[in-house]
Amino acid sequence: GENVEQHPSTLSVQEGDSAVIKCTYSDSASNYFPWYKQELGKGPQLIIDIRSNVGEKKDQRIAVTLNKTAKHFSLHITETQPEDSAVYFCAASISGNQFYFGTGTSLTVIP
Amino acid sequence: NAGVTQTPKFRILKIGQSMTLQCTQDMNHNYMYWYRQDPGMGLKLIYYSVGAGITDKGEVPNGYNVSRSTTEDFPLRLELAAPSQTSVYFCASIGTSGGYTQYFGPGTRLTVL
Repeated sequence: GENVEQHPSTLSVQEGDSAVIKCTYSDSASNYFPWYKQELGKGPQLIIDIRSNVGEKKDQRIAVTLNKTAKHFSLHITETQPEDSAVYFCAASISGNQFYFGTGTSLTVIP
Repeated sequence: NAGVTQTPKFRILKIGQSMTLQCTQDMNHNYMYWYRQDPGMGLKLIYYSVGAGITDKGEVPNGYNVSRSTTEDFPLRLELAAPSQTSVYFCASIGTSGGYTQYFGPGTRLTVL
């Protein structure tokens, strides 16, 4: 089955700086790559996603890039704010049938 | 819309007991999923369903059973609870028109002692 690896496991940045989280996947058939934000005591919430026919997608301060050849994708958060502090998960899926998650990155934004 | 709801929020079981975790969505979504999340780990798929009457195993199905008799409900059954099943359980759903956005419930924290 699919194997998704995520790095780093923890990340601390100063407010206003950028944060980058990277994931790799193993199954070349995966075609959907979402990123989730999970706050303490809550379920994950989708923040951005990308499909395999697109190389980059941006939504305000958040962007995701995908390199299909290398089988890796990354989350970029610019101008970080304290409310960005949370655990972030990447995932890979084949058309929504099964989702394989990374192990998460705990992001702390220091005011 | 209430979205995805899960009950109970918390539960403590003794080894060998059984229970059913309830999940309901009111968005008329076809796809539904059950995940477990162990401390400091990502989510692992237990079972999923692409529609009423259809269920499939995920990565970690052992010790669990599911059913999908209606579009709205996707209960997860634990038989003979074991300490290894101590975890937080999340239910999620996807509507297949226009994307694969997963909507998650608030989770059920289960402890088996």
